[in-house]
Amino acid sequence: QVQLKESGPGLVQPSRTLSLTCTVSGFSLTSYGVSWVRQPPGKGLEWIAAIWSGGSTDYNSALKSRLSISRDTSKSQVLLKMNSLQTEDTAMYFCARWIRGRGFDYWGQGVMVTVSS
Amino acid sequence: DTVLTQSPALAVSPGERVSISCRASEGVNSYMHWYQQKPGQQPKLLIYKASNLASGVPARFSGSGSGTDFTLTIDPVEADDTATYFCQQSWNDPFTFGSGTKLEIK
Repeated sequence: QVQLKESGPGLVQPSRTLSLTCTVSGFSLTSYGVSWVRQPPGKGLEWIAAIWSGGSTDYNSALKSRLSISRDTSKSQVLLKMNSLQTEDTAMYFCARWIRGRGFDYWGQGVMVTVSS
Repeated sequence: DTVLTQSPALAVSPGERVSISCRASEGVNSYMHWYQQKPGQQPKLLIYKASNLASGVPARFSGSGSGTDFTLTIDPVEADDTATYFCQQSWNDPFTFGSGTKLEIK
């Protein structure tokens, strides 16, 4: 069955770089896009970045200068890097599978990232 | 960016019908999707492309609208529908989400 699982450090110091991994199973990254979406505690959802089935990428323009998304198809992993972290980057980070015109149909359980010294 | 506006909260009784609205600041064609999120869980896709029921979602849920005005309807509401409901558009770059409507079942 389709599964996505996020992994990451949990706690990151301000100004450092965050590295998150989304490991997928039950589908191929060359057939579906994967996005990262974050949710600060008690707040709404914010789309961050996407890597599409063909390997092209898109970023939220407000965060673009700090982001890098890539994939390793041999490991079925999507990688997100975000630099210059600030306390406002504290959030639950989800990865989700995207089907064009059909929304995010599968989501991981999320990984909580806290930015604090 | 396309701003999606939702009312913050609604309260209804079991068995009633509830409509949750989402208004876009600019047209999104029919590329509006709806998600349900329960506390401590990831969002779950309910409706895609305005009116299409996602796999495994009960027929009590339905969606309508196009352009800038969209509605998610639950009829009849059940106690388990307590959750926050988010709309999301994929017509304009970047993808954006509404701020969510928290549904309370009395």
